[in-house]
Amino acid sequence: EDKVVQSPLSLVVHEGDTVTLNCSYEVTNFRSLLWYKQEKKAPTFLFMLTSSGIEKKSGRLSSILDKKELSSILNITATQTGDSAIYLCAVGSGGGADGLTFGKGTHLIIQP
Amino acid sequence: GAVVSQHPSRVICKSGTSVKIECRSLDFQATTMFWYRQFPKQSLMLMATSNEGSKATYEQGVEKDKFLINHASLTLSTLTVTSAHPEDSSFYICSASRLPQSYTDTQYFGPGTRLTVL
Repeated sequence: EDKVVQSPLSLVVHEGDTVTLNCSYEVTNFRSLLWYKQEKKAPTFLFMLTSSGIEKKSGRLSSILDKKELSSILNITATQTGDSAIYLCAVGSGGGADGLTFGKGTHLIIQP
Repeated sequence: GAVVSQHPSRVICKSGTSVKIECRSLDFQATTMFWYRQFPKQSLMLMATSNEGSKATYEQGVEKDKFLINHASLTLSTLTVTSAHPEDSSFYICSASRLPQSYTDTQYFGPGTRLTVL
């Protein structure tokens, strides 16, 4: 059974801090790892990491995939209150349904 | 805990037929369930929000007569794609929340259903 575990479940920091969110996975036929930010409505896509693209960066956000350790981290530097959200990690596998397995998310709260 | 399942995981159907997708919360009661559709570039679009025992709330642009949602119990919501067309082919994902209609509270996602309409 595919599994995605995120840690921590919840994190409270002050504005300006740097945070690192973790995602580990156990899936058959790994294809990709995706990070989403959920504030309202649908989760917003942030990054997709694959075997051919193990590091992505966009502004203050960056993510690295460690295929050996079966994990990924999402880094946010110089955090702002607008970064407060639930961050979801999902892993796409090459299973019959091409499904996504989501982690339970990390609830990040940035205090002013 | 907090496991959400979807059935079927994959379905292929002919154009014009209807397809039902089930979303179940296996070990908790879900007062609210959400249905998403995945688009290219990995974006997820919220289609509708359903609360147990009441009519679903559809997002703008989603045809409620085409995508019928029923949330008959605290552990089951169904999405029926009526008169499916090839453009309905997509990956449909449900999620469930313990709290009523709060987008920022934790949602537990199902594994998705791949619909292919021929």
